[in-house]
Amino acid sequence: AQSVTQLGSHVSVSEGALVLLRCNYSSSVPPYLFWYVQYPNQGLQLLLKYTTGATLVKGINGFEAEFKKSETSFHLTKPSAHMSDAAEYFCAVSRPMEYGNKLVFGAGTILRVKS
Amino acid sequence: NAGVTQTPKFQVLKTGQSMTLQCAQDMNHNSMYWYRQDPGMGLRLIYYSASEGTTDKGEVPNGYNVSRLNKREFSLRLESAAPSQTSVYFCASSATTGLGTEAFFGQGTRLTVV
Repeated sequence: AQSVTQLGSHVSVSEGALVLLRCNYSSSVPPYLFWYVQYPNQGLQLLLKYTTGATLVKGINGFEAEFKKSETSFHLTKPSAHMSDAAEYFCAVSRPMEYGNKLVFGAGTILRVKS
Repeated sequence: NAGVTQTPKFQVLKTGQSMTLQCAQDMNHNSMYWYRQDPGMGLRLIYYSASEGTTDKGEVPNGYNVSRLNKREFSLRLESAAPSQTSVYFCASSATTGLGTEAFFGQGTRLTVV
């Protein structure tokens, strides 16, 4: 069963506009949550992660995400999009009860930034 | 810093052929992983190795075998390739398999089976 759902396989924003990429998870235990970015023909790079503590997590390149337990969400935001943000973004969760603590990924969201 | 290195970067196989994808990491990580990436499905775990000398099945292990040759190297073998194995394969490593541990990814191997 899919435990990570990314809403919207493609998101398009104008340069300078707010970026919002949505991620919801299903987990019966407190999850560890990640956002990765994949630039064309590249591997995945960690943007940020939530383990414990502060629910607002800041990452690289001006991105941040907020863990909301009541909504089972971990949406990724950036106040002002830049052309270089065009990439595919993956939300992932560590699942302690299956496959050890391995990462399980959502289907990905392709972000397009229009000039 | 090389990080995680995968070879080859591209490969075309005929149905029924075999091949081995190579992966090496230079970060002294204990744990290594093989994922496949398919459009609309994200990355799915094929096999992993929590530490040198151990390997375990992931979500989609059928049709694959792995070998943890030493701490640095973790190979993925397709014994008889099928068109359904056309995909982009990523190797990753992490210090441990502990919750919240960051995984580092290679640049991928794009495999086409015709």
